Amino acid sequence: QQQVKQSPQSLIVQKGGIPIINCAYENTAFDYFPWYQQFPGKGPALLIAIRPDVSEKKEGRFTISFNKSAKQFSLHIMDSQPGDSATYFCAASISRGSTLGRLYFGRGTQLTVWP
Amino acid sequence: DVKVTQSSRYLVKRTGEKVFLECVQDMDHENMFWYRQDPGLGLRLIYFSYDVKMKEKGDIPEGYSVSREKKERFSLILESASTNQTSMYLCASSSSGTGFYEQYFGPGTRLTVT
Repeated sequence: QQQVKQSPQSLIVQKGGIPIINCAYENTAFDYFPWYQQFPGKGPALLIAIRPDVSEKKEGRFTISFNKSAKQFSLHIMDSQPGDSATYFCAASISRGSTLGRLYFGRGTQLTVWP
Repeated sequence: DVKVTQSSRYLVKRTGEKVFLECVQDMDHENMFWYRQDPGLGLRLIYFSYDVKMKEKGDIPEGYSVSREKKERFSLILESASTNQTSMYLCASSSSGTGFYEQYFGPGTRLTVT
């Protein structure tokens, strides 16, 4: 079954808006939560990551919010730009044991930012 | 810069053919992965490898096999291609160190099986 559930599947916002992408998980062994960004014709690339011992992490216009008790996390893009139009994937990982390095991806959100 | 290269960007094969997809990484990464990407289904893990000659099944291994004879190279094999294997195939690699959650992806191979 899907270990990480992501919504919405697609999102359209105007330039300057704040798109929010949400993800949820069940496995409490997950302890790393990266987000990947994929432009058309390219492979995904790491955008930002968070550990569950912090509730928020910012890098530039991208912010991850983390709610450990609800087992949910989300990506916010401040002052969104047309160049942010891409597919975004949330993921979860376990930092130890036999599955170290394996990522469990959400199904992706296709973001379109209109100029 | 980490570079992950895949042997072909586009490939067209016939049903029943044996298909080889090659992936090479140049960063001495221990871990390598094969995914397929389909609209609405995201990235699904087919197989992965933590070391030379080692392989682990992912979520959708049926109809695929893999080979890792050298650390830098990870091959995906479709023993007898079928139309439902038409997809985008992505290879990735990562280190087992502190950056284990950062996977570096190749540009993908779009495979069409007719």
